[in-house]
Amino acid sequence: DSGVTQTPKHLITATGQRVTLRCSPRSGDLSVYWYQQSLDQGLQFLIQYYNGEERAKGNILERFSAQQFPDLHSELNLSSLELGDSALYFCASSEESSGSSGDEQFFGPGTRLTVL
Amino acid sequence: GEDVEQSLFLSVREGDSSVINCTYTDSSSTYLYWYKQEPGAGLQLLTYIFSNMDMKQDQRLTVLLNKKDKHLSLRIADTQTGDSAIYFCAEIQNTGTASKLTFGTGTRLQVTL
Repeated sequence: DSGVTQTPKHLITATGQRVTLRCSPRSGDLSVYWYQQSLDQGLQFLIQYYNGEERAKGNILERFSAQQFPDLHSELNLSSLELGDSALYFCASSEESSGSSGDEQFFGPGTRLTVL
Repeated sequence: GEDVEQSLFLSVREGDSSVINCTYTDSSSTYLYWYKQEPGAGLQLLTYIFSNMDMKQDQRLTVLLNKKDKHLSLRIADTQTGDSAIYFCAEIQNTGTASKLTFGTGTRLQVTL
């Protein structure tokens, strides 16, 4: 158990809908990262937040957005869903923002999103 | 480009050594990582190596880094059935205040009896 929790575990929805994925980081971790794992794209970095502020952006679509709240949990919002958005969405957390100290990222179990 | 490449599949017999290879792209990466993903589970960090090291050993795991060729390998000694999983290498790209992990395509390790 990494200490990172994600809810829900599974989510099935229809095209055009909007969903929210939730992540609670490890106690004391200030950074939250979101990743998408799909069969065709592999594991891709989406976005990073540090202490409530956006710090880095990866291959995140404009239909997707995220935020980190004062209690440090994070939500990833996916809207106007398409079939191709079906994937496993991982959240990770780390103590710091920069990787210069080899800051380890701890991964949650993921949310499996199926868009029908 | 930011592609980190790995072979897709490796099959070994229980008790043999496994070697999983990775070619990364960013020569400025300060750390390189190996993650393990078991079926239906998240990613677990196995080990990492700092870019100024050539080798790091941690029990059954040995990481070799050839910075000139941007080649990273993970050797698992005495491979067990519990080692069956997908293994991802990853490089970290720092922008000073943020860090981003770029993952390889993953190598599925199958351990046979």
